[in-house]
Amino acid sequence: EVQLVESGGGLVQPGGSLRLSCAASGFSVSSNYMTWVRQAPGKGLEWVSIIYSGGQWHYADSVKDRFSISRDNSHNTLYLEMNTLRGEDTGVYYCARGGPGDWYFDLWGRGTLVTVSA
Amino acid sequence: SFELTQPPSLSVSPGQTASLTCSGDVLPQQYVSWYQQRPGQAPVLVMYKDTERPAGIPARFSASSSGTTVTLTISGVQAEDEADYFCQSANSVGTYYVFGSGTKVTVL
Repeated sequence: EVQLVESGGGLVQPGGSLRLSCAASGFSVSSNYMTWVRQAPGKGLEWVSIIYSGGQWHYADSVKDRFSISRDNSHNTLYLEMNTLRGEDTGVYYCARGGPGDWYFDLWGRGTLVTVSA
Repeated sequence: SFELTQPPSLSVSPGQTASLTCSGDVLPQQYVSWYQQRPGQAPVLVMYKDTERPAGIPARFSASSSGTTVTLTISGVQAEDEADYFCQSANSVGTYYVFGSGTKVTVL
Protein backbone atom coordinates (compact mmCIF):
# COMPACT_ATOMS: atom_id res chain seq x y z
CA GLU A 1 0.00 0.00 0.00
CA VAL A 2 1.24 3.47 -0.86
CA GLN A 3 1.28 5.52 2.33
CA LEU A 4 3.14 7.89 4.61
CA VAL A 5 3.23 7.50 8.39
CA GLU A 6 4.58 10.26 10.61
CA SER A 7 5.92 9.80 14.11
CA GLY A 8 8.03 11.57 16.70
CA GLY A 9 5.68 14.29 17.85
CA GLY A 10 5.10 15.11 21.48
CA LEU A 11 5.39 17.71 24.21
CA VAL A 12 8.61 19.71 24.34
CA GLN A 13 9.67 22.78 26.27
CA PRO A 14 10.45 26.08 24.52
CA GLY A 15 14.04 26.02 23.31
CA GLY A 16 14.00 22.25 23.04
CA SER A 17 14.47 19.91 20.11
CA LEU A 18 12.50 17.16 18.42
CA ARG A 19 12.97 14.90 15.40
CA LEU A 20 10.00 13.90 13.30
CA SER A 21 10.03 10.86 11.04
CA CYS A 22 7.91 10.02 8.02
CA ALA A 23 8.06 6.40 6.90
CA ALA A 24 7.10 5.82 3.29
CA SER A 25 5.83 2.60 1.77
CA GLY A 26 4.92 1.70 -1.79
CA PHE A 27 7.29 4.23 -3.34
CA SER A 28 10.78 5.63 -2.88
CA VAL A 29 11.37 8.91 -1.01
CA SER A 30 14.62 9.34 -2.89
CA SER A 31 12.85 9.40 -6.26
CA ASN A 32 10.30 12.02 -5.31
CA TYR A 33 10.32 15.47 -3.82
CA MET A 34 9.04 15.40 -0.27
CA THR A 35 7.73 18.13 1.97
CA TRP A 36 6.66 18.99 5.50
CA VAL A 37 3.55 21.09 6.09
CA ARG A 38 2.23 22.11 9.49
CA GLN A 39 -1.08 23.27 10.88
CA ALA A 40 -1.43 25.21 14.10
CA PRO A 41 -4.55 24.40 16.14
CA GLY A 42 -7.61 25.80 14.38
CA LYS A 43 -5.50 27.41 11.67
CA GLY A 44 -4.63 26.82 8.04
CA LEU A 45 -1.82 24.94 6.35
CA GLU A 46 1.72 26.35 6.40
CA TRP A 47 4.51 25.02 4.22
CA VAL A 48 7.65 24.27 6.24
CA SER A 49 10.33 22.61 4.11
CA ILE A 50 11.00 20.60 0.97
CA ILE A 51 13.71 18.24 -0.27
CA TYR A 52 14.14 17.30 -3.92
CA SER A 53 15.34 14.04 -5.39
CA GLY A 54 18.68 15.65 -6.17
CA GLY A 55 19.11 16.56 -2.51
CA GLN A 56 18.38 20.28 -2.69
CA TRP A 57 16.34 21.61 0.20
CA HIS A 58 14.48 24.78 1.05
CA TYR A 59 12.76 26.22 4.11
CA ALA A 60 10.08 28.71 5.05
CA ASP A 61 11.52 31.86 6.58
CA SER A 62 9.77 31.05 9.87
CA VAL A 63 11.89 27.92 10.41
CA LYS A 64 15.09 28.72 8.52
CA ASP A 65 18.23 28.09 10.57
CA ARG A 66 16.21 26.13 13.18
CA PHE A 67 14.79 23.18 11.22
CA SER A 68 16.61 20.67 9.02
CA ILE A 69 15.06 18.28 6.49
CA SER A 70 16.76 15.05 5.48
CA ARG A 71 16.03 11.53 4.27
CA ASP A 72 17.39 8.04 4.76
CA ASN A 73 17.09 6.18 1.49
CA SER A 74 17.91 2.81 3.05
CA HIS A 75 15.01 3.16 5.48
CA ASN A 76 12.82 5.03 2.97
CA THR A 77 12.16 7.67 5.60
CA LEU A 78 11.94 11.45 5.63
CA TYR A 79 12.99 13.43 8.70
CA LEU A 80 12.53 16.89 10.15
CA GLU A 81 14.98 17.92 12.84
CA MET A 82 13.53 20.82 14.83
CA ASN A 83 15.68 22.91 17.16
CA THR A 84 15.15 26.01 19.30
CA LEU A 85 11.44 25.30 19.32
CA ARG A 86 8.95 28.08 20.05
CA GLY A 87 5.31 28.15 21.06
CA GLU A 88 4.34 29.15 17.54
CA ASP A 89 5.81 25.87 16.26
CA THR A 90 2.94 24.01 17.95
CA GLY A 91 0.72 22.10 15.56
CA VAL A 92 0.18 18.99 13.52
CA TYR A 93 3.06 18.24 11.17
CA TYR A 94 2.25 16.46 7.93
CA CYS A 95 4.66 14.96 5.46
CA ALA A 96 3.60 14.79 1.84
CA ARG A 97 4.89 13.52 -1.49
CA GLY A 98 5.38 15.78 -4.46
CA GLY A 99 3.32 15.00 -7.51
CA PRO A 100 4.82 14.48 -10.97
CA GLY A 101 5.60 17.81 -12.58
CA ASP A 102 5.04 21.13 -11.03
CA TRP A 103 4.87 21.85 -7.36
CA TYR A 104 1.94 20.04 -5.75
CA PHE A 105 1.49 17.26 -3.20
CA ASP A 106 -0.42 14.13 -4.12
CA LEU A 107 -0.04 11.93 -1.03
CA TRP A 108 -0.25 13.01 2.61
CA GLY A 109 0.35 11.29 5.92
CA ARG A 110 -2.04 11.57 8.85
CA GLY A 111 0.25 13.91 10.77
CA THR A 112 1.96 14.02 14.14
CA LEU A 113 1.24 16.57 16.86
CA VAL A 114 3.98 18.76 18.25
CA THR A 115 3.24 20.81 21.35
CA VAL A 116 5.76 23.38 22.54
CA SER A 117 4.92 24.44 26.06
CA ALA A 118 6.49 24.86 29.47
CA SER B 1 7.23 36.08 -1.40
CA PHE B 2 3.59 36.12 -2.48
CA GLU B 3 0.13 35.53 -1.06
CA LEU B 4 -2.98 33.63 -2.06
CA THR B 5 -6.34 35.01 -1.00
CA GLN B 6 -9.40 32.89 -0.30
CA PRO B 7 -12.78 33.88 1.18
CA PRO B 8 -13.07 32.45 4.69
CA SER B 9 -16.42 30.74 4.32
CA LEU B 10 -19.12 29.63 1.95
CA SER B 11 -22.51 28.08 2.64
CA VAL B 12 -24.34 26.03 0.06
CA SER B 13 -27.45 23.83 -0.02
CA PRO B 14 -27.23 20.19 -1.09
CA GLY B 15 -27.44 19.82 -4.85
CA GLN B 16 -26.39 23.40 -5.49
CA THR B 17 -23.08 24.64 -6.92
CA ALA B 18 -20.21 25.95 -4.78
CA SER B 19 -17.62 28.24 -6.35
CA LEU B 20 -14.43 28.74 -4.35
CA THR B 21 -11.94 31.38 -5.46
CA CYS B 22 -8.19 31.73 -4.99
CA SER B 23 -6.54 34.98 -6.02
CA GLY B 24 -2.89 35.97 -6.33
CA ASP B 25 -0.65 38.06 -8.52
CA VAL B 26 1.52 35.04 -9.44
CA LEU B 27 -1.34 32.92 -10.69
CA PRO B 28 -1.10 33.91 -14.35
CA GLN B 29 2.38 32.34 -14.29
CA GLN B 30 2.09 29.61 -11.68
CA TYR B 31 -0.21 26.60 -11.30
CA VAL B 32 -2.63 26.22 -8.41
CA SER B 33 -3.54 23.06 -6.56
CA TRP B 34 -6.49 22.50 -4.23
CA TYR B 35 -6.74 20.37 -1.10
CA GLN B 36 -9.81 19.23 0.79
CA GLN B 37 -9.49 18.77 4.53
CA ARG B 38 -12.35 17.24 6.44
CA PRO B 39 -12.43 17.78 10.23
CA GLY B 40 -9.75 15.77 11.98
CA GLN B 41 -8.31 14.40 8.76
CA ALA B 42 -5.26 15.01 6.60
CA PRO B 43 -5.53 17.12 3.44
CA VAL B 44 -6.43 15.39 0.19
CA LEU B 45 -5.46 16.67 -3.25
CA VAL B 46 -8.61 17.39 -5.30
CA MET B 47 -7.17 19.47 -8.17
CA TYR B 48 -3.70 20.19 -9.57
CA LYS B 49 -2.12 22.16 -12.38
CA ASP B 50 -5.12 24.51 -12.20
CA THR B 51 -7.67 22.17 -13.79
CA GLU B 52 -6.42 18.57 -13.54
CA ARG B 53 -8.46 16.21 -11.36
CA PRO B 54 -6.61 13.32 -9.67
CA ALA B 55 -7.85 9.77 -10.02
CA GLY B 56 -10.58 8.98 -7.53
CA ILE B 57 -11.85 12.54 -7.17
CA PRO B 58 -15.50 12.82 -8.22
CA ALA B 59 -16.28 14.52 -11.51
CA ARG B 60 -18.41 17.09 -9.70
CA PHE B 61 -15.11 18.79 -8.83
CA SER B 62 -13.84 21.06 -11.61
CA ALA B 63 -11.78 24.21 -11.90
CA SER B 64 -11.08 27.13 -14.16
CA SER B 65 -8.48 29.85 -14.37
CA SER B 66 -8.73 33.45 -15.46
CA GLY B 67 -5.95 35.95 -14.91
CA THR B 68 -5.13 36.28 -11.22
CA THR B 69 -8.01 34.08 -10.03
CA VAL B 70 -8.53 30.34 -10.06
CA THR B 71 -11.96 28.93 -9.22
CA LEU B 72 -12.74 25.47 -7.83
CA THR B 73 -16.32 24.48 -8.58
CA ILE B 74 -18.26 21.75 -6.81
CA SER B 75 -21.38 20.92 -8.78
CA GLY B 76 -24.25 19.14 -7.07
CA VAL B 77 -22.76 19.61 -3.60
CA GLN B 78 -23.14 16.67 -1.24
CA ALA B 79 -22.99 16.56 2.55
CA GLU B 80 -19.59 14.84 2.36
CA ASP B 81 -18.15 17.91 0.62
CA GLU B 82 -18.36 19.88 3.86
CA ALA B 83 -14.71 20.63 4.60
CA ASP B 84 -11.98 23.24 4.49
CA TYR B 85 -10.49 23.84 1.06
CA PHE B 86 -6.98 25.25 0.64
CA CYS B 87 -5.38 26.48 -2.57
CA GLN B 88 -1.61 26.25 -2.99
CA SER B 89 1.03 27.45 -5.37
CA ALA B 90 4.80 27.89 -5.58
CA ASN B 91 7.31 30.26 -7.06
CA SER B 92 8.71 29.52 -10.49
CA VAL B 93 11.75 27.59 -9.24
CA GLY B 94 10.04 25.56 -6.51
CA THR B 95 11.93 27.11 -3.61
CA TYR B 96 8.93 28.66 -1.89
CA TYR B 97 5.44 27.30 -1.45
CA VAL B 98 2.31 29.08 -0.25
CA PHE B 99 -1.11 27.97 0.90
CA GLY B 100 -4.16 30.17 0.91
CA SER B 101 -5.85 30.71 4.26
CA GLY B 102 -8.64 28.32 3.34
CA THR B 103 -12.38 28.41 2.69
CA LYS B 104 -14.72 26.56 5.01
CA VAL B 105 -17.56 25.07 3.00
CA THR B 106 -20.72 24.42 4.98
CA VAL B 107 -23.47 22.30 3.48
CA LEU B 108 -26.76 23.53 4.85
